[in-house]
Amino acid sequence: EPEVTQTPSHQVTQMGQEVILRCVPISNHLYFYWYRQILGQKVEFLVSFYNNEISEKSEIFDDQFSVERPDGSNFTLKIRSTKLEDSAMYFCASTETGTGNTEAFFGQGTRLTVV
Amino acid sequence: GDSVTQMEGPVTLSEEAFLTINCTYTATGYPSLFWYVQYPGEGLQLLLKATKADDKGSNKGFEATYRKETTSFHLEKGSVQVSDSAVYFCALRGDNAGNMLTFGGGTRLMVKP
Repeated sequence: EPEVTQTPSHQVTQMGQEVILRCVPISNHLYFYWYRQILGQKVEFLVSFYNNEISEKSEIFDDQFSVERPDGSNFTLKIRSTKLEDSAMYFCASTETGTGNTEAFFGQGTRLTVV
Repeated sequence: GDSVTQMEGPVTLSEEAFLTINCTYTATGYPSLFWYVQYPGEGLQLLLKATKADDKGSNKGFEATYRKETTSFHLEKGSVQVSDSAVYFCALRGDNAGNMLTFGGGTRLMVKP
């Protein structure tokens, strides 16, 4: 069964450093997403991406964050200067279409720890 | 804006017990509703969904009915198994919110033999 894969599974970084979280969406999917879950809190939407541009973003997704599809398979989330409060589980997801009832497929997540 | 509220966990049950995890939502229009499950060490997996009022989603013995009058989408299972131990997330996608999912806080279920 096709799946979304994320690397690394766990990343530890020092405050102020840049990190790049990587995702490989399902190959025929066209819409890509990042969500995050701070420990003990809700899963929160960060950004959606379609046709090589951001289609929607939340207020969490400020100038410290950026997304990119550098090639035909990878989808990345970059945090330019990490803060302690960026520590969270980051989930990548993809959908085949943009309709409201389409199933979103999620990766296993990357646990980011900022120290 | 849209929001989802779930009962807090953990919920601890014995095997073969009846499960209910409550979920209520706030949204305008006619959202689609989902239950996702996260098994230990794995990602979020879609468990079931319902896209309009009175629809019942079902999968693996789990059921949830889209109740617009009570804005609820409670998850039920008649007889839980140890293998059902996981975290369950209720979520919605608004009918004018693109593809963004709004999640509840998650409910951890622990089933003891």
